[in-house]
Amino acid sequence: DVVMTQSPLSLPVTLGQPASISCRSSQSLGHSDGNTYLNWFQQRPGQSPRRLIYKVSNRDSGVPDRFSGSASGTDFTLKISRVEAEDVGVYYCMQGTHWPPTFGGGTKVEIK
Amino acid sequence: EVQLVESGGGLVQPGGSLRLSCAASGFTFSNYHMAWVRQAAGKGLEWVANINHDGSDQYFVDSVKGRFTISRDNAKSSLYLQMNSLRIEDTAVYYCARDPRALPIWGQGTVVTVSS
Repeated sequence: DVVMTQSPLSLPVTLGQPASISCRSSQSLGHSDGNTYLNWFQQRPGQSPRRLIYKVSNRDSGVPDRFSGSASGTDFTLKISRVEAEDVGVYYCMQGTHWPPTFGGGTKVEIK
Repeated sequence: EVQLVESGGGLVQPGGSLRLSCAASGFTFSNYHMAWVRQAAGKGLEWVANINHDGSDQYFVDSVKGRFTISRDNAKSSLYLQMNSLRIEDTAVYYCARDPRALPIWGQGTVVTVSS
């Protein structure tokens, strides 16, 4: 199975400051159909996961543009340009290229 | 509105069985592959199983193979997870989700507790 390694485990951030979460896959996530199925999810306390980013860098509808995704080889990054109070929660990366789909361990974003 | 609503969770003894259901609305259910994902309390997300659009293909995480079955009724826009021989480590919130590669839509989850 593809291992998704996220860092850091915990990310205390000052309101209005940027935040960055890393996710490394144990193998290439390029699919034969030309897509890279790397997604980012946000899970606020007590809620279901919500997808923010799909195929590396595409924002879902309704997701603020302060969220962005990027990639360099097998390294993927989720950036929040200016953290707001509503961004508190756990963030997960997930690959859907190889079966079975696998998730990173999660990064807890909290306000300092 | 696109929506997934799970039901069927509860408290069951080790070795027991439960059947989870997921009712879909707001989209053409028969066009999509579907998945079950679980999350133990305070832990991360784990994909459990998925089924293709017509039910002819299913995949399972190794830890549930031979114990869980996944099925669907496209006429009822419903997804099911039959869980047999339940173990304590199956205790989790179970979510149904659309499109296993991308998981754009999730339900609110249903809690399964396996305990004596």
